[in-house]
Amino acid sequence: AQSVTQLDSQVPVFEEAPVELRCNYSSSVSVYLFWYVQYPNQGLQLLLKYLSGSTLVKGINGFEAEFNKSQTSFHLRKPSVHISDTAEYFCAVTLYSSASKIIFGSGTRLSIRP
Amino acid sequence: NAGVTQTPKFQVLKTGQSMTLQCAQDMNHEYMSWYRQDPGMGLRLIHYSVGAGITDQGEVPNGYNVSRSTTEDFPLRLLSAAPSQTSVYFCASSRQGTSVNEQFFGPGTRLTVL
Repeated sequence: AQSVTQLDSQVPVFEEAPVELRCNYSSSVSVYLFWYVQYPNQGLQLLLKYLSGSTLVKGINGFEAEFNKSQTSFHLRKPSVHISDTAEYFCAVTLYSSASKIIFGSGTRLSIRP
Repeated sequence: NAGVTQTPKFQVLKTGQSMTLQCAQDMNHEYMSWYRQDPGMGLRLIHYSVGAGITDQGEVPNGYNVSRSTTEDFPLRLLSAAPSQTSVYFCASSRQGTSVNEQFFGPGTRLTVL
């Protein structure tokens, strides 16, 4: 069965600093990959997704992620964060063969210090 | 469009009581799902539906029932609430019959079982 690991439960960074949120997945077959963001007291919204093609995916709010098949990773990056990026970020995966089920990681809480 | 709506926003139950969490969407999405969110565990899929009349189990279905009589509505029923079901519940929907497309989330229902 597929699984998703987000190694960092919390990541504190200073405003305007770069950030990388790590995500590794486990699957023996091809997958689709997603990053979702959850702002305080809200539901989740999609940041970006990788389905096929270019391994560098650009999303909303200046975020991007790179799919690395050999390392089974899908790390999320932003070159300069803002206070408004304070949120929890979830990596998620679904199989090509069973795209009805999406499995989420445990989440990474990004806190931005002024 | 209202998007995905959930009622109630908050609920307190006693052990053994039953209740239904309501979820509705006005985007004519085929795919709908229910998740629970617990600290440090991300979102876990409870049940999902790829269209009216079709439902299937996710990762953690025990203690929950669903039905999908219309495209718009996907209620989640707790038959006999237990303290282990204290959680935040999110409903989501997406276009077409898979989760590959962007999932739209409701605002959540915070449930406490005493």
